[in-house]
Amino acid sequence: GAGVSQSPSNKVTEKGKDVELRCDPISGHTALYWYRQSLGQGLEFLIYFQGNSAPDKSGLPSDRFSAERTGGSVSTLTIQRTQQEDSAVYLCASSFPPGELFFGEGSRLTVL
Amino acid sequence: AQSVTQLGSHVSVSEGALVLLRCNYSSSVPPYLFWYVQYPNQGLQLLLKYTSAATLVKGINGFEAEFKKSETSFHLTKPSAHMSDAAEYFCAVSGGGKLIFGQGTELSVKP
Repeated sequence: GAGVSQSPSNKVTEKGKDVELRCDPISGHTALYWYRQSLGQGLEFLIYFQGNSAPDKSGLPSDRFSAERTGGSVSTLTIQRTQQEDSAVYLCASSFPPGELFFGEGSRLTVL
Repeated sequence: AQSVTQLGSHVSVSEGALVLLRCNYSSSVPPYLFWYVQYPNQGLQLLLKYTSAATLVKGINGFEAEFKKSETSFHLTKPSAHMSDAAEYFCAVSGGGKLIFGQGTELSVKP
């Protein structure tokens, strides 16, 4: 596609459930990033994939969060046993380093 | 480690007035610096970037930013605000292959 595509755009779940968020990067982009945007918290880095290198997971807030990138393209962010504080907009971006990051429109997660 | 501080979580200006959004960075290496804009209910869009060429960088929609090493600053300016500039603005510094973002500044433009 022309841009970074994320799904679902909105997800409402109950506390304790697992959720999966998907990101389709721009074709040919070797780098993929996940960020979290919470009200008043700015953009918090979560994880970064670059080519075949080991991902930079330094921003994952707990072991309930994980992400994978299959075939160097699509990525899935998984949150296990969701908590209310996980409610946020999860943004995916891709790039062809050292070029700019292109962002998707985000997945809004609400944990009840 | 790289970091960014945006001074002022909310800035309000009148239409036609100068826009000044402040950003200070910390970096152990010569930085690459960016400003992104997020319009309501949309994703982030690159406004401009500094990559060690000219210190005055011009971006889209009439915005520009000046890299000042002595002040570790990269403030964003626009001479005359327009109603359509109302959005959230994020400053970012590159570090370890990723971007480190500031907390964001919400710009309101009054008629």
